[in-house]
Amino acid sequence: DVKVTQSSRYLVKRTGEKVFLECVQDMDHENMFWYRQDPGLGLRLIYFSYDVKMKEKGDIPEGYSVSREKKERFSLILESASTNQTSMYLCASTRKGPQAKNIQYFGAGTRLSVL
Amino acid sequence: QKEVEQNSGPLSVPEGAIASLNCTYSDRGSQSFFWYRQYSGKSPELIMFIYSNGDKEDGRFTAQLNKASQYVSLLIRDSQPSDSATYLCAFHTGGFKTIFGAGTRLFVKA
Repeated sequence: DVKVTQSSRYLVKRTGEKVFLECVQDMDHENMFWYRQDPGLGLRLIYFSYDVKMKEKGDIPEGYSVSREKKERFSLILESASTNQTSMYLCASTRKGPQAKNIQYFGAGTRLSVL
Repeated sequence: QKEVEQNSGPLSVPEGAIASLNCTYSDRGSQSFFWYRQYSGKSPELIMFIYSNGDKEDGRFTAQLNKASQYVSLLIRDSQPSDSATYLCAFHTGGFKTIFGAGTRLFVKA
């Protein structure tokens, strides 16, 4: 079974803090994604990566950055946390190629509260 | 117009009934379509995917796709209380991105 592991289930941070959210997948997937999920808005793509050291902005990248130094690990960084970044953050991965059918495998999520 | 439209619900059905969940999408270039189930406080998990017009059945679940009408639906037969969850419709247009709807909450009454 594919396993996508997010380092924390719950985080509470202060405004202005630098926050790191870590995601590790164990199935050698090429593509990794960070989403945030808010009530009524669904999943919104923050950033994605299709290879080591490669990153692409999603729909809402402002206030975030990412790092992918190893294939299995994709980190989301909040440079200076703000209260409007309080949300559920979901990491996902997919294998490259048509046979993968673009099926996304999700981690358990990190619920971040910024006070 | 939103890229994916779903009725937020809640959709309430009695146990044993058929639950019908609907979704419309705006991008005619969409190639593949997905239904994910998300229990409260949990992450989404894939239920069904469909690429071709028509029906696709998997156990109690049937996905229906009509590309001309830009419409995809999910039918759940013999609904169980354990089916109570939020169902996310999603589509993929090529490239890397998958677009998700906001979800429909389903409540199955015992």
